[in-house]
Amino acid sequence: QKEVEQDPGPLSVPEGAIVSLNCTYSNSAFQYFMWYRQYSRKGPELLMYTYSSGNKEDGRFTAQVDKSSKYISLFIRDSQPSDSATYLCAMDGGSQGNLIFGKGTKLSVKP
Amino acid sequence: SAVISQKPSRDICQRGTSLTIQCQVDSQVTMMFWYRQQPGQSLTLIATANQGSEATYESGFVIDKFPISRPNLTFSTLTVSNMSPEDSSIYLCSAMDGPAFFGQGTRLTVV
Repeated sequence: QKEVEQDPGPLSVPEGAIVSLNCTYSNSAFQYFMWYRQYSRKGPELLMYTYSSGNKEDGRFTAQVDKSSKYISLFIRDSQPSDSATYLCAMDGGSQGNLIFGKGTKLSVKP
Repeated sequence: SAVISQKPSRDICQRGTSLTIQCQVDSQVTMMFWYRQQPGQSLTLIATANQGSEATYESGFVIDKFPISRPNLTFSTLTVSNMSPEDSSIYLCSAMDGPAFFGQGTRLTVV
């Protein structure tokens, strides 16, 4: 079993839809959870950074962490064509600082 | 948040040659990392660049192939040595400033 599982998609939605992206993980030592957005031919851009279980909201984006189920989600409300990108979940297990990434989900928002 | 400049942004190299990638952070950071992202894949950590000491390499990556320098708290280099077509990939520099931030990546093609 891989440490982080993420459905690679692709996921295609109409503009204005609510998008739900998910990752599961197996290592209970993971403490920090991140979502990155990566446009084609660009580096990953940090979207959300959470530590504890619960929800964190930033504009149209909501990150949700359920440590008991080892499950994290990213919700995008009122999705826009500019949200079309690959979304990567990442987790930081401790003081080493290195991140474990999911495979990324490729999202396409159609006008 | 840290701003990371990485260069070159892309290069096409002959097999058997070496390429050095530079990473400059706009603030002092304790931890810097180098990742590889192969086509259609997620990010894999190559090594942690330690300031003032040797880099710490992940399983499957060795210093002779990927020598790393970290002369100060804002700069690091990664060299891809004796390149083969299998080294064709995107190489990403990352710095921890709270969460991890990434440069734009270096797209390397070995012919």
